[in-house]
Amino acid sequence: DVKVTQSSRYLVKRTGEKVFLECVQDMDHENMFWYRQDPGLGLRLIYFSYDVKMKEKGDIPEGYSVSREKKERFSLILESASTNQTSMYLCASSSHGQGRYEQYFGPGTRLTVT
Amino acid sequence: AQKVTQAQTEISVVEKEDVTLDCVYETRDTTYYLFWYKQPPSGELVFLIRRNSFDEQNEISGRYSWNFQKSTSSFNFTITASQVVDSAVYFCARMTSGTYKYIFGTGTRLKVLA
Repeated sequence: DVKVTQSSRYLVKRTGEKVFLECVQDMDHENMFWYRQDPGLGLRLIYFSYDVKMKEKGDIPEGYSVSREKKERFSLILESASTNQTSMYLCASSSHGQGRYEQYFGPGTRLTVT
Repeated sequence: AQKVTQAQTEISVVEKEDVTLDCVYETRDTTYYLFWYKQPPSGELVFLIRRNSFDEQNEISGRYSWNFQKSTSSFNFTITASQVVDSAVYFCARMTSGTYKYIFGTGTRLKVLA
């Protein structure tokens, strides 16, 4: 059974803290993604990685960075958390090819920045 | 930007009614993929279906069916004889071939009342 796990379901941090969100997939997928989900805005792509150590900015990368040192792990970093980064964060992974481009999602991390 | 529009923000139906969720997309690409995902209250997005732009065959899977019409750039999703367990937020997404990145619609919240 395919599996994407995220390190925390709920997280509360203070303004200015450095925050790490971890994502691990066990499907040997090449692609990994970080999204944030906000009411009325759907899912917006923060960063995307198509291979180890490779990354590409999504639609809203400001205030975030990522790290992918191993194929199965993709980390999202909030260098200095702000209240406008309070949101649901979703990680996903997908394969490179053979027409099977569906993304598989983790359970999400609901981050509150106070 | 090439948008995906889910004009229905929220739909409420009574159990056993049929319901159709609309999805309209914009694209200048000849090769692309369309997807539907379900997000139940637990939060994890669940993949439902993938369609590529060359395959306009409608698909049925149990009580679910999908109608893909390139002429109207629509990929609508129908649930027949809805059940309370169908209550969720449903997202439509589009991916251009070779990019791996999705553009999501803003989602439709479906409430099925007993």
